[in-house]
Amino acid sequence: KQEVTQIPAALSVPEGENLVLNCSFTDSAIYNLQWFRQDPGKGLTSLLLIQSSQREQTSGRLNASLDKSSGRSTLYIAASQPGDSATYLCAVTGPGTSYGKLTFGQGTILTVHP
Amino acid sequence: EPEVTQTPSHQVTQMGQEVILRCVPISNHLYFYWYRQILGQKVEFLVSFYNNEISEKSEIFDDRFSVERPDGSNFTLKIRSTKLEDSAMYFCASRLSRGLSYGYTFGSGTRLTVV
Repeated sequence: KQEVTQIPAALSVPEGENLVLNCSFTDSAIYNLQWFRQDPGKGLTSLLLIQSSQREQTSGRLNASLDKSSGRSTLYIAASQPGDSATYLCAVTGPGTSYGKLTFGQGTILTVHP
Repeated sequence: EPEVTQTPSHQVTQMGQEVILRCVPISNHLYFYWYRQILGQKVEFLVSFYNNEISEKSEIFDDRFSVERPDGSNFTLKIRSTKLEDSAMYFCASRLSRGLSYGYTFGSGTRLTVV
């Protein structure tokens, strides 16, 4: 059974700092990995999707990398801003699912203070 | 940008009652999902739905739960005989395709409180 773990559970940084969030998964035979952002009491906003054959994806100040063989992904946020404060979730699909069931980590709560 | 819409945003119900949570997926999407998140816990998969039938479900999705797409636009989750432990945020999601490059779009959720 796939298990997804995120480290750290919480992170507090000053504005402007670069930071890295970590995600690990127990079964490396994933199909893809997706990073989401969740604001308090709100839904999930997709940030980046990395297919299993890819090594990284970038969107603006965000860069996600994937090392499938070691079961790890990182989300790098450059020049953090207070508006980046949220919970960041990673989720994987596969193996053992044909219809794309996501297995989530517990999230990293990020606080960026001015 | 297209959105997944969920209603209501918050539902309070008495234990034992039936509730229906509603979702309008993105119009050209073909794959539909329900997930839930109990406060302080991970987001958990409940069910996937394709071609008007359930394609996959979790052990959480017992016979009190059902889904349907009654009119080609709405996608509903019905919970009968609600229990206190059903209290959670319920998220609807949709995808255009199950191809590897296709991600999920989630709705903003319905917070269900069973009292």
